[in-house]
Order: sequence, then C-alpha cells, then structure tokens
Amino acid sequence: KQEVTQIPAALSVPEGENLVLNCSFTDSAIYNLQWFRQDPGKGLTSLLLIQSSQREQTSGRLNASLDKSSGRSTLYIAASQPGDSATYLCAVLTGGGADGLTFGKGTHLIIQP
Amino acid sequence: DAGITQSPRHKVTETGTPVTLRCHQTENHRYMYWYRQDPGHGLRLIHYSYGVKDTDKGEVSDGYSVSRSKTEDFLLTLESATSSQTSVYFCATLGGGASNQPQHFGDGTRLSIL
Repeated sequence: KQEVTQIPAALSVPEGENLVLNCSFTDSAIYNLQWFRQDPGKGLTSLLLIQSSQREQTSGRLNASLDKSSGRSTLYIAASQPGDSATYLCAVLTGGGADGLTFGKGTHLIIQP
Repeated sequence: DAGITQSPRHKVTETGTPVTLRCHQTENHRYMYWYRQDPGHGLRLIHYSYGVKDTDKGEVSDGYSVSRSKTEDFLLTLESATSSQTSVYFCATLGGGASNQPQHFGDGTRLSIL
C-alpha cells in the first residue's frame, strides 16, 4: 500500500526566505506526483505536476523535483511572501487515472510579514 | 476550478439519517472521485468513477455508496449516517490521460453528524 509522508508538518519563516518542503513515498511505481495548495476552508489548487519520467517542474517562484528511485520529492519556494501561507499537500498517482491519488498529511506553512 | 460545484456546502444532520452529497462538473471529464479529509489522516479516497455507471471502491468505502447516471453528476450517499462520517468531503475530476493531467477539486462539503 502506497504511503506518503510530508516533512515538516508545520513551518513558520520570515518573509523573503527561500524554503523547501519535503515529500516521500514508499512505492516508486508512480504515474505522477502532484503538489497542491489548500487555503483554510477551501478546496485544493494544483500547483505542479511531475510525470514519472520527469525530474522537475517549475512555475514562477515554485520548483518541484522528483527522484522516483528514492521515493522523494521537494517543493522549493523562492522569496516567500505572506500570500504563500497555506497548507501544501503532496500526492502520488500509483494506479491508473481511475485509482485516485494518495495524499500526504500536508505541511502547514506560515510566512511572517 | 474546472467548473466543479459541490452541494450542499454545509450540512448538519442526525445519526441514522440518509445523506446525499452532489458533485456537478461542466468540463465533461471522464473520471470523478470522492475524498474525505480528516485531521490526522489527510485526504482519503472513498469511491471513484471512470465513466457513466462505472464506479469502484476506494480506501475508505464502507458506509458509502455512489452513483453516476450522467457524465456531469457524481452522487455520494451515506445510507445511515454515523458520527464517524463527520468530515469534509471533496469531489475531484480528471480529464484525458492520467499521467499528465492534474485532478481538479471542488470547494468541499462540510458534513456534521450529531
């Protein structure tokens, strides 16, 4: 059974810092890995998707890497801003599209102004 | 996102009553999913659908049933609600090929079973 772990569970940093969120998974036979953002009381917003054949994806100040063989991914946020405060979720697709995602429990991020 | 509407957004009901949550999408996506989100557990898959009238169980399907009679609608039913089913329920959709498309999520339904 696939298991996804996110470290740290919570993180508070001053505005402007670069930071790294970590995600690990137990079964390396994945189709893709996705990073989501969740604001309080809201749904999930897809940030980045890395297919199993890719090593990284970038969107603006966000960069996600994938090392499938070691079962690890990182989400790098550059020049953090208070608006980045949210919970960040990592999820992997292990089966086909019909099987749904397996999620980590998330990293609760606070960016101090 | 992706035109997903969940209804109701909030519901409070009593133990033993039937409850139906609705997910409606306007993107003609093939795949639809129901997840529940609980503190300490993260999001877990309840049921999913890979086409009209084609559904299957997820990780935490006990006590839930689903139906999909039209592409755009996916219903989640709690036949006899229990307090352990108090949770936030999210619907998600996926279109096209699985490996290169993200799932899109609705804003959730907050369900309280008293």
